[in-house]
Parts: sequence; structure tokens; C-alpha cells
Amino acid sequence: QSVLTQPPSASGTPGQRVTLSCSGSSSNIARKYVYWYQKLPGTAPKLLIYRNDQRPSGVPDRFSGSKSGTSASLAISGLRSEDEADYYCAAWDDSLSASVVFGGGTKLTVL
Amino acid sequence: QVQLQESGPRLVKPSETLSLTCTVSGASISSHYWTWIRQPAGKGLEWIGRMHTIGSTNYNPSLKSRVTVSVDTSKNQFSLKLNSVTAADTAVYFCAKDVERSSSAGGWFDPWGQGTLVTVSS
Repeated sequence: QSVLTQPPSASGTPGQRVTLSCSGSSSNIARKYVYWYQKLPGTAPKLLIYRNDQRPSGVPDRFSGSKSGTSASLAISGLRSEDEADYYCAAWDDSLSASVVFGGGTKLTVL
Repeated sequence: QVQLQESGPRLVKPSETLSLTCTVSGASISSHYWTWIRQPAGKGLEWIGRMHTIGSTNYNPSLKSRVTVSVDTSKNQFSLKLNSVTAADTAVYFCAKDVERSSSAGGWFDPWGQGTLVTVSS
């Protein structure tokens, strides 16, 4: 069981806007930055969002991140077929473990 | 630009030690946390641990008793050792740089190595 909770699946049609959620706690998301990664089969994860809502250069502005309290979200607008992938959230956990924690991942299907 | 490349045995016997090295090119390894992450087939990403070039480390509590991450600044490399492996340690192992520099922050992984599949089997 992952420390950060993500729904296992989500779906949308081309052009649609979808929002993926990531739920944590007071020891991680509430007071630490959240990061989002896109994972395609056979490739390394790709950083999509850093420090809650910042996009690295080269990441389309269709991807946006937000955080409120103990939850974070990744929104994808203008959904495209190539967005079909697994998406993971990550954060530092400030509990006794002092470690990075990942969500279990959300498989996004573009219908 | 900075590139990372994992290397090491692809097949490890149960109860033995898994050893991987990540070679960093395009920049000095100094002044950052260097991280190992894995993904078993069909499962999610799992953070293993990290080491800063000044020597501080953090490990996944569930793996802490079996893991060592070390850095060799002279070779611009860092390494992972995971001992007493079982089939459950079969996974694709990734190395990555954690861009966050604070000891109480992390998760900003960029860049990543391409990943290497390590199989634990007799």
C-alpha cells in the first residue's frame, strides 16, 4: 500500500480535460512539494510537474499541477492519444522515515 | 546535458547481493542527492534511497536494513547494493538525480537513467 493514494485508473476522450488526484497527509503533501511523472512502457519516467505547479521546459502547458491541503492534482487539457500512460505523484515524507514516497500510479486511458 | 547510465549484473541469485552502478556524464556529481528507484513488473515506482556527495543518506524504511547507496566522486559514479535478495527484488532499477538539495526535501528527479532490468533467480 502506497503512502500517497492515487486512483488506479482514469479515462477521457481526445480533447477532453482530465484531472488525476493524489492524496496524502500532514507529513507529506500538506507541507512538502509534490512532483508528477509520466511513465510510458519501456522508458524512464518523465518529469511533468515539479514543486506543485511548475512545468519543466519542454512540457506542454496542457499539463498543470495544483495542491490544496493534503491533496494534489494533475490536470491534462486537450487530451491526446499520446497522453495514454501511467502517472505518478511523489513527495517528501517528513515523518520518522524521512523519505520520498510515491503514489501507486494512475493508468490513464484515452478512449 | 547531464546523462545517467546504469550498469551491473542483470541476473542475481537469491540470498546474494544486487550491485548496480550509475555513471554520470555531462556534469560533476558534486553537490546533489543521487537516487535509486525501482519498478517491479506490473507495479508502481518505489523509491529505494539516496546519498548526497557530502555523505548524508536516506533510505526507504522497508528496505533500509538491506540497502546501501554510495557515491564515488572521483569516478563520477554512485552505486546501489541490496543484499539478501529474493524474487520480490526483481525489477527495473533506475538511477536519478534529485534536484532538491535540502536534507528535508526530495522527489524532483531529473534526469533519469534509462533503467536496467535485474532478475533474481537461481
